[in-house]
Amino acid sequence: DAGVIQSPRHEVTEMGQEVTLRCKPISGHDYLFWYRQTMMRGLELLIYFNNNVPIDDSGMPEDRFSAKMPNASFSTLKIQPSEPRDSAVYFCASSFSGANTGELFFGEGSRLTVL
Amino acid sequence: AQSVTQLGSHVSVSEGALVLLRCNYSSSVPPYLFWYVQYPNQGLQLLLKYTTGATLVKGINGFEAEFKKSETSFHLTKPSAHMSDAAEYFCAVTRGGSQGNLIFGKGTKLSVKP
Repeated sequence: DAGVIQSPRHEVTEMGQEVTLRCKPISGHDYLFWYRQTMMRGLELLIYFNNNVPIDDSGMPEDRFSAKMPNASFSTLKIQPSEPRDSAVYFCASSFSGANTGELFFGEGSRLTVL
Repeated sequence: AQSVTQLGSHVSVSEGALVLLRCNYSSSVPPYLFWYVQYPNQGLQLLLKYTTGATLVKGINGFEAEFKKSETSFHLTKPSAHMSDAAEYFCAVTRGGSQGNLIFGKGTKLSVKP
């Protein structure tokens, strides 16, 4: 079975450029999460969706960040304009509420470097 | 509010020695507790979870953890470390029965010496 698929795996860009990260959750999962991982702050939840609807975006650092989930099989996290402090690994995760365990399934992450 | 504290950002053991990674949580409601492992340049994988029932839970790769409500702890153990166990380990908590935000600890990096 395919897991959570993220693209790109690595992205190097220059300050001011737009960055779009993509995620395909596991089929049948109804929750989708975006996390950011840095050495300084660890794993931080940015936003999560339930049935394609954003539920909590309080972790989104600022207006430069936006996330969408146009359908059950696709989500994007966009940073515009990007800044060096956005350099991090961004993880997408999904879960199925019917399992009633709260378990998250993670993708392999997108490593972003902003120069 | 819920929170997780992992004691020790780095733990080093010798191959064959006991592994003990500590996790304490704070929760005003019955928690669901998780341990995840992250190998270099990879995502997080579930090691084990506690939801309800038996307080000693067994996971993959010989790891186990015990939920101790009186101590608000969920420490991760393995009797004999293997070189392949070198990774970063994260403890996480969520409100029991709910779906949503997993609160993660800051992680413990485990090194295994030959």
